[in-house]
Order: sequence, then structure tokens, then C-alpha cells
Amino acid sequence: GNSVTQMEGPVTLSEEAFLTINCTYTATGYPSLFWYVQYPGEGLQLLLKATKADDKGSNKGFEATYRKETTSFHLEKGSVQVSDSAVYFCALKYGNKLVFGAGTILRVKS
Amino acid sequence: DTAVSQTPKYLVTQMGNDKSIKCEQNLGHDTMYWYKQDSKKFLKIMFSYNNKELIINETVPNRFSPKSPDKAHLNLHINSLELGDSAVYFCASSQDAGSHEQYFGPGTRLTVT
Repeated sequence: GNSVTQMEGPVTLSEEAFLTINCTYTATGYPSLFWYVQYPGEGLQLLLKATKADDKGSNKGFEATYRKETTSFHLEKGSVQVSDSAVYFCALKYGNKLVFGAGTILRVKS
Repeated sequence: DTAVSQTPKYLVTQMGNDKSIKCEQNLGHDTMYWYKQDSKKFLKIMFSYNNKELIINETVPNRFSPKSPDKAHLNLHINSLELGDSAVYFCASSQDAGSHEQYFGPGTRLTVT
């Protein structure tokens, strides 16, 4: 079936550190891929997306590249801030459904 | 202006009770969704409506019944609440069923005692 696997958290970093959150997927066909972010006490927001192989999604300094050969969509940011502390969800879309990974908690310390 | 709103934000109730959660979106979207997020943050779709028609109905106990009076509203009614129903319930909407982006409400934290 279609599924998403994310690295387990929490991930704790110091401000200005480099961030990678790994995400791999299993899917039939070629799904669209997403990263959503959930700030404390809020609903999810779309952070970035990629709809086909080799596409790079980017937003707010975050990037992720759709790698068909490794079925991956890893999230990266060169220099995290305290305000980036949140839960990050990798997701794929097939048909009408969004399938989410388990979420990765990111904590950034000043 | 809140795009997707839910009421109530918190709901504490006893086992066996019946409760409803309401959702409204002012984005003019055709498609709305209900998700359940458990204590480990795992998020799973429950239902989706497109123009008031049910298009996704995951394996959810039939104690849960969605109702869409119009395409701007999607309510969730839960009968005979159980301890395991405690979770955060999120409503979301999208332009249409094929849209890539979904807009989420702030969530309703349901606690069953």
C-alpha cells in the first residue's frame, strides 16, 4: 500500500544548526509529495511540495527534492531558528487522499 | 479572517455521551475532511466530502457520523463516546478533491473520561 516513513524524533538542535529530517515513501505510481508543519497548538500548514521526480520544493529556507530512485523526500534547512520548533509531517497524495508520516518533533534551542 | 474554523476548541465529556464538533470554511472550497490525531501525533483521515457528497470513508466505527449541510460546513457527530476516542480532531478543506494543498483548522481536543 501507500505509506510514508519519517525519522523518529524528537530532533533537538541549537540555533543556526543544519537540519535534515528523513522521509521515504512507498507508493504505486508517482504520488505528489509534501511537507506540512504543525506549530504548537495549531493546525497543519503546507510548508512545501513537489509533484514529480526531481522537483525541488522550497519555502522559508526549507527545501526537499523528490528522488524517485531512492523514494525519498528529505527535508533540509541550512540554519534553523527557535521559531522553527514544531512537528514536521511528510505526506504523499494518491487519488483524493493525503497519507501522512508519523511526524517528527523538532526542538531548536537558543 | 479565519479560513477554517472549528468549535469547540476543547471538549471534555464522559464515556457513553454523544457529542458534535463543527467545522466551517470561508475559502469557497468544494472539499472538506476530518482527520484524527492521536497522542503520538499520528494523523489519519476519517472522512471527506466533496460538494456535500461523501467521497472518502475510512475504516471508522459507525459511532462517527459526518454531516455536510452545505459545502462550507462539515460536522462530526460521535455517539456513545469511548476512552479511545480521546484525540485531537482536525477539519481541513481544499479547492477540490484533486487539489494538492489542504487547509487545516486549529483542531478540537476531545478528552473522554
